Amino acid sequence: SYVLTQPPSVSVAPGKTARITCGGNNIGSKSVHWYQQKPGQAPVLVIYYDSDRPSGIPERFSGSNSGNTATLTISRVEAGDEADYYCQVWDSSSDRGVFGTGTKVTVL
Amino acid sequence: EVQLVQSGAEVKKPGESLKISCKGSGYSFTSYWIGWVRQMPGKGLEWMGIIYPGDSDTRYSPSFQGQVTISADKSISTAYLQWSSLKASDTAMYYCARLGYGDEAEFDYWGQGTLVTVSS
Repeated sequence: SYVLTQPPSVSVAPGKTARITCGGNNIGSKSVHWYQQKPGQAPVLVIYYDSDRPSGIPERFSGSNSGNTATLTISRVEAGDEADYYCQVWDSSSDRGVFGTGTKVTVL
Repeated sequence: EVQLVQSGAEVKKPGESLKISCKGSGYSFTSYWIGWVRQMPGKGLEWMGIIYPGDSDTRYSPSFQGQVTISADKSISTAYLQWSSLKASDTAMYYCARLGYGDEAEFDYWGQGTLVTVSS
């Protein structure tokens, strides 16, 4: 089955840029979605189809996808961005969805 | 406004059966796939399976095939996740979520989650 690998944690100072990677075999050929999950809450979609933002999601959130790595970028990080972030793709070989391992973003 | 409202927390004993629900509103329930996602304590998200309420077409992740049953009652806009014999390892938070449009769609709306605790 298709495997998505994320770094367990990323630390960033307020106002700086956080980059969260999602690695997968030829992931650039797939559509990648990103979810934010704060403690005790349900996940929230923050990026879909590699780089689109749902309404209500700040422009500080952006995404890219190429080769074997997709990236979620959070610019001008704020304390409220502290959360777990998950990437997700559709595995065409099994016709099922797959989530990444998740990354905990800590704002210093 | 799209909403997915899940049933309340459950405490069960090993071997018992359970059916939890997810009621959709604010959109055409029969026109979108609904999925279920497991999150074990302190762990990540796991894609369990999806159902198309329009015709009950269902697809399971291999890890969950045969372990749970996903169903839907379109007359009341409700999807279900069911166990016939719970195990302690089924203890987790379970989320339902709506799948958007497209062949590689995202989960665009999520329920609030149902906590299932299985303990003797």
